[in-house]
Amino acid sequence: AQKITQTQPGMFVQEKEAVTLDCTYDTSDPSYGLFWYKQPSSGEMIFLIYQGSYDQQNATEGRYSLNFQKARKSANLVISASQLGDSAMYFCAMREGPGGSNYKLTFGKGTLLTVNP
Amino acid sequence: ETGVTQTPRHLVMGMTNKKSLKCEQHLGHNAMYWYKQSAKKPLELMFVYSLEERVENNSVPSRFSPECPNSSHLFLHLHTLQPEDSALYLCASSQDLYRSEGYTFGSGTRLTVV
Repeated sequence: AQKITQTQPGMFVQEKEAVTLDCTYDTSDPSYGLFWYKQPSSGEMIFLIYQGSYDQQNATEGRYSLNFQKARKSANLVISASQLGDSAMYFCAMREGPGGSNYKLTFGKGTLLTVNP
Repeated sequence: ETGVTQTPRHLVMGMTNKKSLKCEQHLGHNAMYWYKQSAKKPLELMFVYSLEERVENNSVPSRFSPECPNSSHLFLHLHTLQPEDSALYLCASSQDLYRSEGYTFGSGTRLTVV
Protein backbone atom coordinates (compact mmCIF):
# COMPACT_ATOMS: atom_id res chain seq x y z
CA ALA A 1 0.00 0.00 0.00
CA GLN A 2 1.19 3.48 -0.79
CA LYS A 3 2.12 5.52 2.23
CA ILE A 4 1.59 8.84 0.46
CA THR A 5 -1.19 9.32 -2.08
CA GLN A 6 -1.56 12.34 -4.31
CA THR A 7 -4.67 11.76 -6.39
CA GLN A 8 -4.32 14.76 -8.70
CA PRO A 9 -1.77 14.15 -11.48
CA GLY A 10 -2.38 17.68 -12.75
CA MET A 11 -4.14 20.84 -11.60
CA PHE A 12 -4.88 24.16 -13.27
CA VAL A 13 -5.52 27.47 -11.52
CA GLN A 14 -5.97 31.05 -12.63
CA GLU A 15 -3.40 33.57 -11.52
CA LYS A 16 -4.33 35.21 -8.19
CA GLU A 17 -6.73 32.41 -7.30
CA ALA A 18 -6.20 29.93 -4.46
CA VAL A 19 -5.58 26.23 -5.12
CA THR A 20 -5.59 23.12 -2.93
CA LEU A 21 -3.32 20.17 -3.65
CA ASP A 22 -4.45 16.93 -2.04
CA CYS A 23 -2.34 14.53 -0.01
CA THR A 24 -3.42 11.56 2.07
CA TYR A 25 -1.07 9.38 4.06
CA ASP A 26 -1.03 6.01 5.71
CA THR A 27 0.78 5.28 8.94
CA SER A 28 0.14 3.49 12.21
CA ASP A 29 2.82 5.47 13.99
CA PRO A 30 1.39 8.17 16.29
CA SER A 31 4.43 10.37 15.71
CA TYR A 32 5.23 11.54 12.20
CA GLY A 33 6.03 14.59 10.11
CA LEU A 34 4.56 15.75 6.85
CA PHE A 35 6.36 17.85 4.23
CA TRP A 36 5.58 19.59 0.98
CA TYR A 37 8.19 20.22 -1.70
CA LYS A 38 8.05 22.17 -4.95
CA GLN A 39 10.02 21.03 -8.00
CA PRO A 40 10.24 23.53 -10.88
CA SER A 41 11.32 22.42 -14.33
CA SER A 42 14.93 23.13 -13.30
CA GLY A 43 14.80 19.96 -11.18
CA GLU A 44 15.62 21.34 -7.75
CA MET A 45 13.36 20.23 -4.89
CA ILE A 46 12.41 23.21 -2.75
CA PHE A 47 11.13 22.70 0.80
CA LEU A 48 7.87 24.58 1.38
CA ILE A 49 6.24 23.62 4.65
CA TYR A 50 6.30 21.12 7.52
CA GLN A 51 3.61 19.78 9.84
CA GLY A 52 4.28 17.59 12.86
CA SER A 53 1.64 15.09 13.93
CA TYR A 54 1.41 16.63 17.40
CA ASP A 55 1.28 20.22 16.22
CA GLN A 56 -1.92 21.84 17.45
CA GLN A 57 -2.16 24.40 14.69
CA ASN A 58 -1.97 24.08 10.92
CA ALA A 59 1.38 25.15 9.54
CA THR A 60 1.64 28.32 7.49
CA GLU A 61 4.54 29.82 5.51
CA GLY A 62 3.70 32.96 3.61
CA ARG A 63 1.24 32.03 0.84
CA TYR A 64 1.46 28.34 1.75
CA SER A 65 -0.68 26.70 4.39
CA LEU A 66 -1.21 23.08 5.27
CA ASN A 67 -4.76 21.90 5.93
CA PHE A 68 -4.00 19.10 8.40
CA GLN A 69 -6.90 16.78 9.17
CA LYS A 70 -5.46 14.10 11.38
CA ALA A 71 -8.54 11.90 11.67
CA ARG A 72 -8.85 11.78 7.89
CA LYS A 73 -5.09 11.38 7.46
CA SER A 74 -4.93 14.23 5.02
CA ALA A 75 -2.42 17.04 4.67
CA ASN A 76 -3.52 19.22 1.81
CA LEU A 77 -1.40 22.14 0.63
CA VAL A 78 -3.21 25.42 0.05
CA ILE A 79 -1.52 28.06 -2.10
CA SER A 80 -3.20 31.45 -1.90
CA ALA A 81 -2.98 34.15 -4.56
CA SER A 82 -1.32 31.90 -7.16
CA GLN A 83 1.52 33.33 -9.21
CA LEU A 84 2.88 32.23 -12.58
CA GLY A 85 6.06 31.16 -10.80
CA ASP A 86 4.07 28.63 -8.79
CA SER A 87 3.81 26.40 -11.87
CA ALA A 88 5.75 23.28 -10.89
CA MET A 89 5.49 19.73 -9.58
CA TYR A 90 4.47 19.51 -5.93
CA PHE A 91 5.36 16.55 -3.75
CA CYS A 92 3.96 15.50 -0.42
CA ALA A 93 6.29 13.50 1.84
CA MET A 94 6.19 11.84 5.25
CA ARG A 95 8.70 10.86 7.90
CA GLU A 96 7.38 8.22 10.32
CA GLY A 97 8.40 7.97 13.94
CA PRO A 98 9.73 10.70 16.21
CA GLY A 99 12.69 12.66 15.00
CA GLY A 100 15.14 10.50 16.85
CA SER A 101 14.13 7.20 15.31
CA ASN A 102 13.64 7.53 11.58
CA TYR A 103 15.31 9.61 8.93
CA LYS A 104 13.59 8.36 5.78
CA LEU A 105 11.29 10.60 3.76
CA THR A 106 8.64 8.77 1.72
CA PHE A 107 7.34 10.77 -1.25
CA GLY A 108 4.11 10.73 -3.22
CA LYS A 109 4.03 10.73 -7.02
CA GLY A 110 3.41 14.45 -7.21
CA THR A 111 0.91 16.89 -8.70
CA LEU A 112 1.77 19.12 -11.67
CA LEU A 113 0.34 22.58 -11.05
CA THR A 114 -0.11 24.97 -13.95
CA VAL A 115 -0.97 28.60 -13.24
CA ASN A 116 -2.73 30.32 -16.13
CA PRO A 117 -2.41 34.08 -16.72
CA GLU B 1 21.96 28.99 -5.24
CA THR B 2 20.51 26.16 -3.17
CA GLY B 3 23.49 25.33 -0.98
CA VAL B 4 23.68 21.88 -2.55
CA THR B 5 25.46 21.80 -5.90
CA GLN B 6 25.33 18.86 -8.27
CA THR B 7 27.52 18.33 -11.33
CA PRO B 8 27.11 17.68 -14.14
CA ARG B 9 23.57 18.91 -14.73
CA HIS B 10 23.17 16.62 -17.72
CA LEU B 11 24.98 13.41 -18.62
CA VAL B 12 24.64 11.06 -21.56
CA MET B 13 26.59 7.83 -21.31
CA GLY B 14 26.83 4.52 -23.07
CA MET B 15 26.21 1.27 -21.27
CA THR B 16 29.92 0.45 -21.16
CA ASN B 17 31.06 3.83 -19.85
CA LYS B 18 32.18 4.75 -16.36
CA LYS B 19 31.17 8.15 -15.01
CA SER B 20 30.68 9.86 -11.67
CA LEU B 21 28.10 12.26 -10.31
CA LYS B 22 29.25 14.83 -7.79
CA CYS B 23 27.37 16.52 -4.99
CA GLU B 24 28.75 19.28 -2.79
CA GLN B 25 27.20 21.13 0.14
CA HIS B 26 28.55 24.01 2.19
CA LEU B 27 25.72 24.14 4.70
CA GLY B 28 27.59 22.38 7.48
CA HIS B 29 25.21 19.43 7.23
CA ASN B 30 26.22 16.02 8.52
CA ALA B 31 23.92 13.78 6.49
CA MET B 32 23.77 13.37 2.73
CA TYR B 33 21.47 11.36 0.48
CA TRP B 34 21.13 10.08 -3.09
CA TYR B 35 17.65 9.81 -4.57
CA LYS B 36 16.55 8.52 -7.98
CA GLN B 37 13.58 10.16 -9.67
CA SER B 38 12.11 8.24 -12.60
CA ALA B 39 9.18 9.41 -14.68
CA LYS B 40 5.80 8.88 -13.00
CA LYS B 41 7.34 7.16 -9.97
CA PRO B 42 7.91 8.44 -6.44
CA LEU B 43 11.41 9.41 -5.45
CA GLU B 44 13.45 6.37 -4.49
CA LEU B 45 16.00 6.60 -1.70
CA MET B 46 19.27 4.99 -2.82
CA PHE B 47 21.97 5.77 -0.29
CA VAL B 48 22.34 7.63 2.99
CA TYR B 49 25.52 8.84 4.64
CA SER B 50 25.88 10.25 8.12
CA LEU B 51 29.21 11.70 9.18
CA GLU B 52 30.79 10.04 6.15
CA GLU B 53 29.53 6.58 7.07
CA ARG B 54 26.98 4.77 4.94
CA VAL B 55 23.84 4.01 6.92
CA GLU B 56 21.53 2.95 4.12
CA ASN B 57 21.96 0.91 0.99
CA ASN B 58 18.47 0.45 -0.29
CA SER B 59 18.88 -2.67 -2.44
CA VAL B 60 20.60 -0.68 -5.13
CA PRO B 61 22.38 -2.61 -7.92
CA SER B 62 26.14 -2.75 -7.60
CA ARG B 63 26.58 -0.78 -10.82
CA PHE B 64 25.89 2.23 -8.59
CA SER B 65 28.69 2.86 -6.11
CA PRO B 66 28.57 5.77 -3.64
CA GLU B 67 31.50 7.49 -2.03
CA CYS B 68 31.56 10.07 0.74
CA PRO B 69 35.16 11.28 1.29
CA ASN B 70 34.08 14.01 3.73
CA SER B 71 30.89 15.53 5.08
CA SER B 72 30.73 18.12 2.30
CA HIS B 73 31.09 15.83 -0.71
CA LEU B 74 29.17 12.87 -2.04
CA PHE B 75 29.80 10.97 -5.24
CA LEU B 76 27.86 8.38 -7.19
CA HIS B 77 30.10 6.26 -9.40
CA LEU B 78 28.36 4.67 -12.37
CA HIS B 79 29.47 1.73 -14.51
CA THR B 80 27.83 -0.63 -17.00
CA LEU B 81 24.45 1.05 -16.59
CA GLN B 82 21.22 -0.02 -18.26
CA PRO B 83 18.78 2.16 -20.21
CA GLU B 84 16.27 1.87 -17.34
CA ASP B 85 18.77 3.70 -15.16
CA SER B 86 18.01 6.88 -17.10
CA ALA B 87 16.52 9.27 -14.54
CA LEU B 88 17.06 12.44 -12.55
CA TYR B 89 19.49 11.77 -9.69
CA LEU B 90 18.99 14.10 -6.77
CA CYS B 91 21.39 14.73 -3.94
CA ALA B 92 20.15 16.10 -0.63
CA SER B 93 21.58 17.00 2.74
CA SER B 94 20.25 17.60 6.23
CA GLN B 95 21.73 18.97 9.44
CA ASP B 96 21.70 15.57 11.07
CA LEU B 97 20.19 12.21 10.30
CA TYR B 98 17.34 12.48 12.77
CA ARG B 99 16.27 16.11 12.65
CA SER B 100 12.63 16.83 11.95
CA GLU B 101 13.30 19.43 9.30
CA GLY B 102 13.27 18.44 5.66
CA TYR B 103 16.20 18.06 3.36
CA THR B 104 17.96 20.61 1.19
CA PHE B 105 18.10 19.28 -2.35
CA GLY B 106 20.36 20.00 -5.27
CA SER B 107 19.10 20.60 -8.80
CA GLY B 108 19.88 17.07 -9.86
CA THR B 109 21.79 15.37 -12.66
CA ARG B 110 19.67 14.30 -15.63
CA LEU B 111 21.20 10.99 -16.72
CA THR B 112 20.49 9.36 -20.05
CA VAL B 113 21.90 5.90 -20.74
CA VAL B 114 22.10 5.02 -24.43
